[in-house]
Amino acid sequence: DQQVKQNSPSLSVQEGRISILNCDYTNSMFDYFLWYKKYPAEGPTFLISISSIKDKNEDGRFTVFLNKSAKHLSLHIVPSQPGDSAVYFCAAIIQGAQKLVFGQGTRLTINP
Amino acid sequence: NAGVTQTPKFQVLKTGQSMTLQCAQDMNHEYMSWYRQDPGMGLRLIHYSVGAGITDQGEVPNGYNVSRSTTEDFPLRLLSAAPSQTSVYFCASSRGYRRGPSTGELFFGEGSRLTVL
Repeated sequence: DQQVKQNSPSLSVQEGRISILNCDYTNSMFDYFLWYKKYPAEGPTFLISISSIKDKNEDGRFTVFLNKSAKHLSLHIVPSQPGDSAVYFCAAIIQGAQKLVFGQGTRLTINP
Repeated sequence: NAGVTQTPKFQVLKTGQSMTLQCAQDMNHEYMSWYRQDPGMGLRLIHYSVGAGITDQGEVPNGYNVSRSTTEDFPLRLLSAAPSQTSVYFCASSRGYRRGPSTGELFFGEGSRLTVL
């Protein structure tokens, strides 16, 4: 039972354009959502998060949007840079719980 | 700043062998956890701990044991390795289970790649 789903295994975007990574979830109890970034041979690193009381959170080139009615969130990267090439994991948690649930990941490739 | 340190980085085992993956953190984090990463499956929680002496199961605990005798260390034991346990294993920690995993920000080690033949 995959509670957090990233349906696109890979995405290729031209440098300077917008990258949009998508994530869907099924558990309506989730109230905090995160994105992690992972380079090869490294551990994931936290990128940006959003609480369910918000619908948008922005941090520099990265913006996360949350649509609770659709149980959908997305990560926008503008403008995309070659260093953004990595695997991105969406994750969700019920605040107060101890289990963070991850999606399958999307491999983003930024082409020069 | 060492952060979260995992050893070994690479290991090859034969079916039936046992081994321990080590994890240590120097950030005085209360919460520690082990995940495995498999193609198409993302990161799946194996076991976690909210403090010394306290551990609990995640999504995929079968075949693995953990203990937490100190705040710093959280070893993962494979009792009798099977080919299905071939994976990349990540240890992760967080400031405190009320602040950390309750808002999800985990600090990960670099991973341990295990192959079981």
